[in-house]
Amino acid sequence: SYELTQPLSVSVALGQTARITCGGNNIVRKKVHWYQQKPGQAPVLVISRNDNRPSGIPERFSGSNSGNTATLTISRAQAGDEADYYCQVWDSSTGVFGTGTKVTVL
Amino acid sequence: QVQLVESGGGVVQPGRSLRLSCAASGFTFSTYAMHWVRQAPGKGLEWVAVISYDGNNKYFADSVRGRFTISRDNSENTLFLQMNSLRPEDTAVYYCARVEIIGHTFDYWGQGTLVTVSS
Repeated sequence: SYELTQPLSVSVALGQTARITCGGNNIVRKKVHWYQQKPGQAPVLVISRNDNRPSGIPERFSGSNSGNTATLTISRAQAGDEADYYCQVWDSSTGVFGTGTKVTVL
Repeated sequence: QVQLVESGGGVVQPGRSLRLSCAASGFTFSTYAMHWVRQAPGKGLEWVAVISYDGNNKYFADSVRGRFTISRDNSENTLFLQMNSLRPEDTAVYYCARVEIIGHTFDYWGQGTLVTVSS
């Protein structure tokens, strides 16, 4: 089965840039979605199909996908960006989530 | 507005069964595939199962295949997850979620219902 690997945690200084990676075999051939989850809440989509930002999501959130790694970038990080982030793809009609990354804004 | 409301969670002994429900409103339920996603306490998201809009196609995660079944009642706008032979590792918050037709993203989630498998 397909697997997605993320770093356990990423720390970023307030106002700086955080990059969260999502590793998967030849992931470039898949469309990668990114979700933000805050404690006690359901996940919220922040990036769809590699690099598309849903309405209402700040321009500070961006995505890319190349080779074996997809990346979510959070520019000018704010305290409100502290959350868990998950990448997600579809593999033969089944869903696959990444292992999740906790982002801490210092 | 789109709403998904799960129910049926609770504490159950290992080996027993439980059925979760998800009441949908605010959209044409019968035209969307629906999913269950779970999250063990302090852990990440795990996709569980999907059912097609008409109920004819179903897929399951390896961890639940053969023990869980998914079904829907389009006349009642309700999604179900029948969980049999429950194990302690099935303890989690279970979310029902809708997948957007074009982009194939999870665009709406319920608030989740907690299932605890413990003796």
